[in-house]
This record gives sequence, structure tokens and C-alpha cells, in this order.
Amino acid sequence: AQRVTQPEKLLSVFKGAPVELKCNYSYSGSPELFWYVQYSRQRLQLLLRHISRESIKGFTADLNKGETSFHLKKPFAQEEDSAMYYCALSGPWFGNEKLTFGTGTRLTIIP
Amino acid sequence: ETGVTQSPTHLIKTRGQQVTLRCSSQSGHNTVSWYQQALGQGPQFIFQYYREEENGRGNFPPRFSGLQFPNYSSELNVNALELDDSALYLCASSPRDRASGELFFGEGSRLTVL
Repeated sequence: AQRVTQPEKLLSVFKGAPVELKCNYSYSGSPELFWYVQYSRQRLQLLLRHISRESIKGFTADLNKGETSFHLKKPFAQEEDSAMYYCALSGPWFGNEKLTFGTGTRLTIIP
Repeated sequence: ETGVTQSPTHLIKTRGQQVTLRCSSQSGHNTVSWYQQALGQGPQFIFQYYREEENGRGNFPPRFSGLQFPNYSSELNVNALELDDSALYLCASSPRDRASGELFFGEGSRLTVL
């Protein structure tokens, strides 16, 4: 069965320091992976997806199939990055809108 | 462009009762998915509706059922409520013809079962 693991429930980082939010997955097929974010008093929204290979708000994530990981990284944390972050995997159902989410990591940026 | 709206925002029920939650999809979106988010957990996929038919279901019992209407709005019905059904229920819409994996979420309906 597919599974997404986010080992850190809470992560605190000083402003300006690098950020890495860990995500590991288990899936037998070719995964599609996403990071969703929920800022305070806002709804859950897509941050980035691995197929796009894009950087959003300074964040990047590389899919490592050997390590089955999709860690989210940012070189210099900003206060506005404080939020709840969820890693998600598409599958096993047909169509890539059916997601399996991890339990989330609450990121706090310390001024 | 109107986003995903859900109603009610909060409700309290007792064990054994039935509940109906409603969702209006974002303009132009024809696919609606429902997720359950228990406290401290990530959202868990319940089912998805496309063209008024169920199109994929997660590991939820049959007492969780849904509908999609011609205007793409949707309902989630839960019968014989149990204490463990207490959770935030999220609706998400997406445009099937541009399947990108991006879901557009509502703010959720928080259900408390006593």
C-alpha cells in the first residue's frame, strides 16, 4: 500500500537559515509527488509538484527514487514561510487528483 | 473566480445520527473530491466524483456516500455516525481536462460527534 511519511511533526528554524522538510514515500509504481501548504487562517493549497521541477517561493523539491524521498528545501528561511506543510502522493487510483497525504510538518520560522 | 465553498462550517451531532455536508466546486471545475482530516493527521481520501458518478474510493465504509449534481456541486452523507467520525471534512475541486494533480480546497466542515 502507498504511504507518505513525514518524520517531523514540528520544525523550528531561524530566519535566514536553510530549511529542509523531510518526506519519504512507499509506492510500487511511478509516483507523482506534491507539497501542499496551509498558512495560518488560509485553506490548503498546492506549493509545488515534482513533475514541474519548479521553484516556488524559493522552495524546491527533488524526487529521489533510490531513497524514495521528496524533501522540501529552501536555502534561506523567511518569516512568511511559517505554515503547515504536507507531502502528498498521487495514486493508486487512476487520475492524479486522488492523493495520499502525510501527517504534516508545522514549520515555525524564528525571527 | 469563486473558490470552493463548503457548508456548514461547524456542526455537532450525536452518535447514530446522519449528516449531510455540501460543497460548491470552483468555477470551471468538474471533479470533486472529499477528504477527512482527523486531528493531528493529514487529509485522507474518501472518494471522488466526476460526471455525477463515483470515480475512486478510499478505505471508508459504505455509510459514507456522496452525490454530484449537474452543476458539479457535491454532497457527502454519513449515516450512523460514530465518535471517530469527528473530523474536518474537506472538499476539493479540480478540472479533469487539465489533470495536473492540483486540488483546490475549501475551508472545510468541522464535524463533532458526541
